Amino acid sequence: KQEVTQIPAALSVPEGENLVLNCSFTDSAIYNLQWFRQDPGKGLTSLLLIQSSQREQTSGRLNASLDKSSGRSTLYIAASQPGDSATYLCAVSRYNTDKLIFGTGTRLQVFP
Amino acid sequence: DTGVSQNPRHKITKRGQNVTFRCDPISEHNRLYWYRQTLGQGPEFLTYFQNEAQLEKSRLLSDRFSAERPKGSFSTLEIQRTEQGDSAMYLCASSFRVPEEAAINEKLFFGSGTQLSVL
Repeated sequence: KQEVTQIPAALSVPEGENLVLNCSFTDSAIYNLQWFRQDPGKGLTSLLLIQSSQREQTSGRLNASLDKSSGRSTLYIAASQPGDSATYLCAVSRYNTDKLIFGTGTRLQVFP
Repeated sequence: DTGVSQNPRHKITKRGQNVTFRCDPISEHNRLYWYRQTLGQGPEFLTYFQNEAQLEKSRLLSDRFSAERPKGSFSTLEIQRTEQGDSAMYLCASSFRVPEEAAINEKLFFGSGTQLSVL
């Protein structure tokens, strides 16, 4: 059974800091790993998708890495801003299934 | 607006009533997913469609739940005889999966969800 864990559960940082969010998964047989952002009471917005054969993906101030063999991914946010405040969720797409398995998320607050 | 649309945004109902939610996916997307999310948790898979065919249902989806996607366009999720434990955010997502290919590069686009409160 695939289990996805995110650490820390919550994080509060001052504006301008670089930060790292962690995601771990128990079964390395995955198609891809995706990072999403969720604002309170809203749906999910896809941030980055890393295919199983890739090591990292970058979009603006965001960089996500994937180490499939160790079952880990990190989301690096550079020069954080108050607008980055949200919950960040990682999800894996497991072999031979068509569903994403989500972690419980990291709730990020960036204060001015 | 070309995103995924869900209606209603909020639904308050009394225990025992039936409710129906609607999801309009991105028009060229052939896959449509339903997920459920409770407070402080990540979304959990409920069911999905490839065009009009429902291909998988989670064990979370009891007999009181039914989903349809007639003509492979919009989808409805109905909950009969609602219970307080059904209170959650119901999320719809769509994607385009190239036929006969695996999900390597399948990116999901989510709607804003329907928040259900059962009193």
